[in-house]
Amino acid sequence: EIVLTQSPATLSLSPGERATLSCRASQSVSSYLAWYQQKPGQAPRLLIYDASNRATGIPARFSGSGSGTDFTLTISSLEPEDFAVYYCQQRSNWRETFGQGTKVEIK
Amino acid sequence: QLQLQESGPGLVKPSETLSLTCTVSGGSISSSSYYWGWIRQPPGKGLEWIGSIYYSGSTYYNPSLKSRVTISVDTSKNQFSLKLSSVTAADTAVYYCALGIASSSYYYGMDVWGQGTTVTVSS
Repeated sequence: EIVLTQSPATLSLSPGERATLSCRASQSVSSYLAWYQQKPGQAPRLLIYDASNRATGIPARFSGSGSGTDFTLTISSLEPEDFAVYYCQQRSNWRETFGQGTKVEIK
Repeated sequence: QLQLQESGPGLVKPSETLSLTCTVSGGSISSSSYYWGWIRQPPGKGLEWIGSIYYSGSTYYNPSLKSRVTISVDTSKNQFSLKLSSVTAADTAVYYCALGIASSSYYYGMDVWGQGTTVTVSS
């Protein structure tokens, strides 16, 4: 089973700042990696798929990069609605796993 | 636009089987590009993939749950289902159904999610 490790666990930033979230896989997942945003009491929302493609309706301030084992989600300038928990997810050999999440909180 | 809605008992007794159904509205789920999955989230914790079923009928499960899980799909009813047997308190969670786009050569993640349903395992 592939393990996804996200860092940091918590990111304390102010609106307007840049957020950089990391997701590292225990072995290569090629580009089969997605990022989700989850707010309290809500279902997750797909942000990025195939490591770097924005899902429909996702603002351009969200971007993804990486391949193989190291991936990054960048939020170029945090808006108030971006404070939430972010998860990465991979599929390898048809099995999927999620990272443990990174909480982006208001500083 | 597709919408998903989970349904099923909110309370299940220990050792019994948890059964949930996900009903899809707003369009047909019968597309060779689609796959359907179940994910859960224990209180205060992260997301856990339970399993997925593809248009081909192939199913894939979390190894830690594989012996207890069955996922099936009924495209004629626009529904897919989850059964989890021999439940314990550790299976208490919010259960989500989700629909994604994937095949053997691409994986686009889970694009449409249900709102989630809380299942408590208790006597």
